[in-house]
Amino acid sequence: ETVLTQSPATLSLSPGERAALSCRASQSVSNKLAWYQQKPGQAPRLLIYDASNRATGIPARFSGSGSGTDFTLTISGLEPEDSAVYYCHHRSNWPLTFGGGTKVEIK
Amino acid sequence: EVQLLESGGGLVQPGGSLRLSCAASGFTFSNFPMTWVRQAPGKGLEWVSFIGGSGVGPMYTDSVKGRFTISRDNSKNTLFLQMNSLRAEDTAVYYCAKCIDSRCYFDYWGHGTLVTVSS
Repeated sequence: ETVLTQSPATLSLSPGERAALSCRASQSVSNKLAWYQQKPGQAPRLLIYDASNRATGIPARFSGSGSGTDFTLTISGLEPEDSAVYYCHHRSNWPLTFGGGTKVEIK
Repeated sequence: EVQLLESGGGLVQPGGSLRLSCAASGFTFSNFPMTWVRQAPGKGLEWVSFIGGSGVGPMYTDSVKGRFTISRDNSKNTLFLQMNSLRAEDTAVYYCAKCIDSRCYFDYWGHGTLVTVSS
């Protein structure tokens, strides 16, 4: 099983700042990684797939990078509505797995 | 507009069974793989099961193998999850999710249905 480890657990930043969220895989997943955003009481929303492709309708301030075992989700210019938990997910092999999540708080 | 609507959750005793359904609309259901993802109260996301568009290749996370069965009825645009021998640790919100294509990233999700396993 490929374990995805996300850091930090919580990130507290002010509006307009840049957030960098990390996802590290226990073995290479190539570029087969996605990022999701989940707000309280809501289903997750796909942000990024294949490590760096924005999903339909996702603002340009969200970007993804990385390959192999190290990946980063960057949110440039935080907005108050970006307060949420962010999860990475790989599809490289079975079982599919998610990271434990990073909570982004907006001060 | 793509819509996924889960149903069938509820309270069940340990060892009991439930069948979840997910009614899909707004896309050609048979063309897309589908999955179930769950989230225990206050916890993160856990992938549960996958099925191909034609029903091939069911896959399961280890903790549900032999207890859960995923299936689909493409004539009724509906996804199912039969859950047997339920345990307390199966308590979670269960989401059905559509795969973006053969690459199984989840581009549309239902609102979820809560399954509580407790005596």
